[in-house]
Amino acid sequence: AQTVTQSQPEMSVQEAETVTLSCTYDTSESDYYLFWYKQPPSRQMILVIRQEAYKQQNATENRFSVNFQKAAKSFSLKISDSQLGDAAMYFCAYQPGNTPLVFGKGTRLSVIA
Amino acid sequence: GAVVSQHPSRVICKSGTSVKIECRSLDFQATTMFWYRQFPKQSLMLMATSNEGSKATYEQGVEKDKFLINHASLTLSTLTVTSAHPEDSSFYICSARGLQSYGYTFGSGTRLTVV
Repeated sequence: AQTVTQSQPEMSVQEAETVTLSCTYDTSESDYYLFWYKQPPSRQMILVIRQEAYKQQNATENRFSVNFQKAAKSFSLKISDSQLGDAAMYFCAYQPGNTPLVFGKGTRLSVIA
Repeated sequence: GAVVSQHPSRVICKSGTSVKIECRSLDFQATTMFWYRQFPKQSLMLMATSNEGSKATYEQGVEKDKFLINHASLTLSTLTVTSAHPEDSSFYICSARGLQSYGYTFGSGTRLTVV
C-alpha cells in the first residue's frame, strides 16, 4: 500500500528562524508528484509547493523549499524566515498518476513570536 | 488561478434529515472530483471519487447510500448526506482536478453539525 508518513505531529519555530518538516513515503511507482499543503485555522487547504518525481532539482517557492531524496523516498519541507502566518497544519501528499492524493497525518506548526 | 467554490460553509441539521453540499469549479472544468472527510486534528480521509457523467467510486467503509455523490456536469458536484445522524458531524472538503495531470484545487470545506 502507498503510504505517507509524517513523523512529527507537532513542531515549533521562533519567528524569523528556519524549520524543517519531515515526510517519507512508500511507493513502487517511478513517476509521481509530491505536495505540501498548508491548512490554517480556516481549514482551507492551500498548496505550498509541488515536486515532480522525474525532476532532480528541488522545488522552491519563495521562503519554502523542499529536499527531495527520491532513492530514500524522502520529501522534507524547509520554511525559512518563519512568519506568524506560517502557523498551521502541514500535510505532505503523494499522487501516483491519475489517482487521488494520499495524505500524511500532518504536522502542526507553531510559530513563536 | 483555479477556484472551487464550496457551499454551505456551515450547516446545522436535525437528525434524520438530508443535507446537500455543493462544489463548483469556477474557472476550469473539473473532470474529477474528490470528496474528503476530516475529523478534528486528523488528516483528510478520502470518501469517494467521481468523474463527470459517471457513478462515483466509494472508498471501503463509506456507505454509498448514505453519502450520495452526483457529478452531472464539469463544473458541479454535490454530496448529499442522507438521513443524517450525529456521528455524521464532521468537516467535508471537496477537491477538483481539471485536465492537467497533476494538482488539485480544494473547496473551502463544509462544517456539518447534526443535532
